[in-house]
Amino acid sequence: SQELEQSPQSLIVQEGKNLTINCTSSKTLYGLYWYKQKYGEGLIFLMMLQKGGEEKSHEKITAKLDEKKQQSSLHITASQPSHAGIYLCGAVKGAQKLVFGQGTRLTINP
Amino acid sequence: DADVTQTPRNRITKTGKRIMLECSQTKGHDRMYWYRQDPGLGLRLIYYSFDVKDINKGEISDGYSVSRQAQAKFSLSLESAIPNQTALYFCATSDNRDAAGYGYTFGSGTRLTVV
Repeated sequence: SQELEQSPQSLIVQEGKNLTINCTSSKTLYGLYWYKQKYGEGLIFLMMLQKGGEEKSHEKITAKLDEKKQQSSLHITASQPSHAGIYLCGAVKGAQKLVFGQGTRLTINP
Repeated sequence: DADVTQTPRNRITKTGKRIMLECSQTKGHDRMYWYRQDPGLGLRLIYYSFDVKDINKGEISDGYSVSRQAQAKFSLSLESAIPNQTALYFCATSDNRDAAGYGYTFGSGTRLTVV
């Protein structure tokens, strides 16, 4: 099983709606990264969370880290077509190696 | 120019052929990584290197080899390609002072198809 589990694996929302993607770790989280990938392209760094309770925002995207629950959530407010893509969470695993969740494919319908 | 450049962007090769994927970076980072991406499996680490003399296996290194020719160059080889190595391959770099929280820098990927 994956060390990082993302849910849902696929999400289709109407433009303008809010949505949340979750990333749950089977081990203690010491830092969590969120990346976005346009289909078939490279990964774009969104943000990194290091401390329990930390919350960061980038434009209409907000991410939180719940250390006790070993979980992070990514919330998009008033979704737009430009938000479509694959969202990946990553966590540092020993000696600064990033391990990733399986990704969440987000589709925005007009 | 991109910070992390991968070549080729796309490649179709036959089963049994040897193929090399190349990665070069202008970030000045010591650490470089090769990942592969398959649908529904996210990214999985193949090999990583923390400096020119340091090479380490990742979780799925079988069937692959790497060479760190210089701080800026890290190549991945498939000695004898097989169809289940068809995937999207990413090179990434990181700074060993990553406390700044900028994470890894990824290349645009190489889409490899083995027929």
